[in-house]
Amino acid sequence: EAQVTQNPRYLITVTGKKLTVTCSQNMNHEYMSWYRQDPGLGLRQIYYSMNVEVTDKGDVPEGYKVSRKEKRNFPLILESPSPNQTSLYFCASSSISRSGGANEQFFGPGTRLTVL
Amino acid sequence: QKEVEQDPGPLSVPEGAIVSLNCTYSNSAFQYFMWYRQYSRKGPELLMYTYSSGNKEDGRFTAQVDKSSKYISLFIRDSQPSDSATYLCAMSAGANNLFFGTGTRLTVIP
Repeated sequence: EAQVTQNPRYLITVTGKKLTVTCSQNMNHEYMSWYRQDPGLGLRQIYYSMNVEVTDKGDVPEGYKVSRKEKRNFPLILESPSPNQTSLYFCASSSISRSGGANEQFFGPGTRLTVL
Repeated sequence: QKEVEQDPGPLSVPEGAIVSLNCTYSNSAFQYFMWYRQYSRKGPELLMYTYSSGNKEDGRFTAQVDKSSKYISLFIRDSQPSDSATYLCAMSAGANNLFFGTGTRLTVIP
């Protein structure tokens, strides 16, 4: 089954304790992205990657890191989490459009993070 | 000003009603317009995809794009309780990066 998986699904942590949220896709997609979803603000892009070893900042990258060492995996790292990073996080992937369009993004189930 | 504006609702309608969901945008470079549906505790899933201006119909769902007014709509005919979800508009200028609206929460009451 084609899917994007995220782990953990729920996480409660404390300020300053480094954490990693994993994301993996089995569709051989080049493009992967991380979003956070907050009430009244919608989905905002944190980081994205066009391919292995190619990453770039989205709209809200402060406080986050990513890496893309393998095509299927795109972990999100919070080196020193703070309460304002409490949010619902989604990983997404898509193929790259050769004709310049915007291909469908497939989303993971989400990770609900609480930072105390 | 946000690039994409969407009324967050919530919107409650009786079963069988016609639902109209709308987004406005400011970036005239947007050419690709999407509607995603998000059920509670799930990730968004693509519902409709349109390119440039015009209409697209898929079953009970119709997507409309008016680029001259920078306005897009999603119509749901004969709404069902299973349509209860949050609907997110999304758009792109032609790259993979999408700009999302805040989502409209819809409840269809049996």
